[in-house]
Amino acid sequence: EAQVTQNPRYLITVTGKKLTVTCSQNMNHEYMSWYRQDPGLGLRQIYYSMNVEVTDKGDVPEGYKVSRKEKRNFPLILESPSPNQTSLYFCASSLYPGAGETQYFGPGTRLLVL
Amino acid sequence: GQQVMQIPQYQHVQEGEDFTTYCNSSTTLSNIQWYKQRPGGHPVFLIQLVKSGEVKKQKRLTFQFGEAKKNSSLHITATQTTDVGTYFCAVNAGGTSYGKLTFGQGTILTVHP
Repeated sequence: EAQVTQNPRYLITVTGKKLTVTCSQNMNHEYMSWYRQDPGLGLRQIYYSMNVEVTDKGDVPEGYKVSRKEKRNFPLILESPSPNQTSLYFCASSLYPGAGETQYFGPGTRLLVL
Repeated sequence: GQQVMQIPQYQHVQEGEDFTTYCNSSTTLSNIQWYKQRPGGHPVFLIQLVKSGEVKKQKRLTFQFGEAKKNSSLHITATQTTDVGTYFCAVNAGGTSYGKLTFGQGTILTVHP
C-alpha cells in the first residue's frame, strides 16, 4: 500500500530537549516536504527536498533541521524545541512537485512542547 | 515568498446548497493545487490546474483557473455531509524554488443536514 508514515504520532516534550520526527515513504518519490499546521494559519512549509542530499528552506525553517540521506526517509529534527513549536506536523511526498502528481501526506505528528 | 489569499475563512451551508471557495494571488501563478482535509485527518490532494482558463470537474466539484492565472475557485454543487472539511489551495514558487509550496489559509466548510 502506497503510504507516508510518521513517527511518533503524538509527542509531549520539554523545552530544549532534542527530538526527531521520522518520515518515510514507500513510493520511490523524489520530492518530500515538511509542514506545520496551526489554527488560523493553515499549512506552512518548513523544509523540502527535491532529491537525495538536496534540501531547501520553506517559509518557516527557523528552529528546524532536516536531512535526506536516502530517498525514502526525511526526518525532521528540532535541536532545541521551544513552546512556539507546539503544532501539528505533516510530512508529504510526491514524484515531482507541481507536475500534477499527487502529493501524499502522512497522518501527522502532534507535538506539545512544555 | 509567494502569497495567496483564500476566502471565505468559514462557510456554513444546508445540505443541498452550493459552496464556493476562492484563492487570489497578486502575481501570476504557474499552477494551483487544491486539497481537502477532513476533521482530524490529513490533507488529501484533489487536483492541479495549470492552464489559463482551465476548468476541471470531479463529480460535484468544479475547479477553475482564471484567465490571468491569478485566481482560482472550487465550487461544490449540492453539498453533502461528506463534503465537510477544510479546503486549501496551494501554489508553487517559480524558478529554482519550484519545490516551495505555499498554502492558502483554507476554507472550513460545515454542512447542516
